[in-house]
Amino acid sequence: DSGVTQTPKHLITATGQRVTLRCSPRSGDLSVYWYQQSLDQGLQFLIQYYNGEERAKGNILERFSAQQFPDLHSELNLSSLELGDSALYFCASSVGAGSVTEAFFGQGTRLTVV
Amino acid sequence: DAKTTQPPSMDCAEGRAANLPCNHSTISGNEYVYWYRQIHSQGPQYIIHGLKNNETNEMASLIITEDRKSSTLILPHATLRDTAVYYCIVRLYSGNTPLVFGKGTRLSVIA
Repeated sequence: DSGVTQTPKHLITATGQRVTLRCSPRSGDLSVYWYQQSLDQGLQFLIQYYNGEERAKGNILERFSAQQFPDLHSELNLSSLELGDSALYFCASSVGAGSVTEAFFGQGTRLTVV
Repeated sequence: DAKTTQPPSMDCAEGRAANLPCNHSTISGNEYVYWYRQIHSQGPQYIIHGLKNNETNEMASLIITEDRKSSTLILPHATLRDTAVYYCIVRLYSGNTPLVFGKGTRLSVIA
């Protein structure tokens, strides 16, 4: 158990809908990262938050957005869903206080868009 | 884009050492080498990281060449549960930067 909790584990929704994925980082971790893993794209970095503020942005679509709340949990919002958005979505957290630390990953949310 | 090159796949006999190579010829002085693995759609799992010295922990050993242009992850006694995709990643010292994953090496441990 990495200590990073993602909910829900599975999500099935229709095209055009909007969903919210939730991530609770490890206790004390200030950084949260979101990744998307589809069959043909591998693990793609989407976005990073550090202590409530956006720190880095990767290949995140405009239809996707995220935020990190004062209690440090994070949510990834996916809207106007398309079939191609079906993927595993992983959240990771790290201390992120300037030291060399590893990131710990949750078990992911499997999103299926039908 | 990933800054590392790894073979797409490798096989290893159960109980033998698995040696996974990684080339990172453009690594800079303030970048560390990290290794993660992903077992069948689970979340990636941290294995080890290093800067220039060899490192060992309960999971694996990391050997980094003197010029730091390549490294090898060693699983001393591979088991079937080590079958996974292994990712070699270079990452800035700050530790607060995103991990950028490449395609990794799919290691198959064979009984």
